[in-house]
Amino acid sequence: DARVTQTPRHKVTEMGQEVTMRCQPILGHNTVFWYRQTMMQGLELLAYFRNRAPLDDSGMPKDRFSAEMPDATLATLKIQPSEPRDSAVYFCASGRTGNIQYFGAGTRLSVL
Amino acid sequence: GQQVMQIPQYQHVQEGEDFTTYCNSSTTLSNIQWYKQRPGGHPVFLIQLVKSGEVKKQKRLTFQFGEAKKNSSLHITATQTTDVGTYFCAGGVNTNAGKSTFGDGTTLTVKP
Repeated sequence: DARVTQTPRHKVTEMGQEVTMRCQPILGHNTVFWYRQTMMQGLELLAYFRNRAPLDDSGMPKDRFSAEMPDATLATLKIQPSEPRDSAVYFCASGRTGNIQYFGAGTRLSVL
Repeated sequence: GQQVMQIPQYQHVQEGEDFTTYCNSSTTLSNIQWYKQRPGGHPVFLIQLVKSGEVKKQKRLTFQFGEAKKNSSLHITATQTTDVGTYFCAGGVNTNAGKSTFGDGTTLTVKP
């Protein structure tokens, strides 16, 4: 059963620390998305990639967030330095050509 | 930019009652997807609509795509407690880009 895998599932860190979240898209999917979900903001698109190239990262705070795809099986989202307002659930999703997306289980981040 | 609006934001129903959520886009869409997110879970793809006026059914769920391809609805007949969760619509304007804009979701609670 193909699925998007995200690690870690939970992360508690202190303000100022670096946080790295990882995502393994479904094999054969060429589009990868990063979303942030909070109670107040719903699903917020941070960045997305097509064939490992970044297509849009306009939703991402550039000063502290970065997203990369080192290879087709790994996408990363980094926050440095982290702040309490970054506390949220971060979802990765993948898809093929077309608009259907398959979501991972998410990383629940708490920044103290 | 493109906006996708969903109403209502919340809906509380008695088990057995029907439920409908509506989705409206500021621009004409190529397609629309519907997702369900259970409490504490991740969005799960339900269905995609592509054709003007299209109607699709999944058991007690009926999905419609408007004639102008700017609106859509999800109707659940005789709700059950297993239907609780947040229902998101997501509108795509460019199939090649792969990105869809998500609505803020409708959260459904069902009283047994």
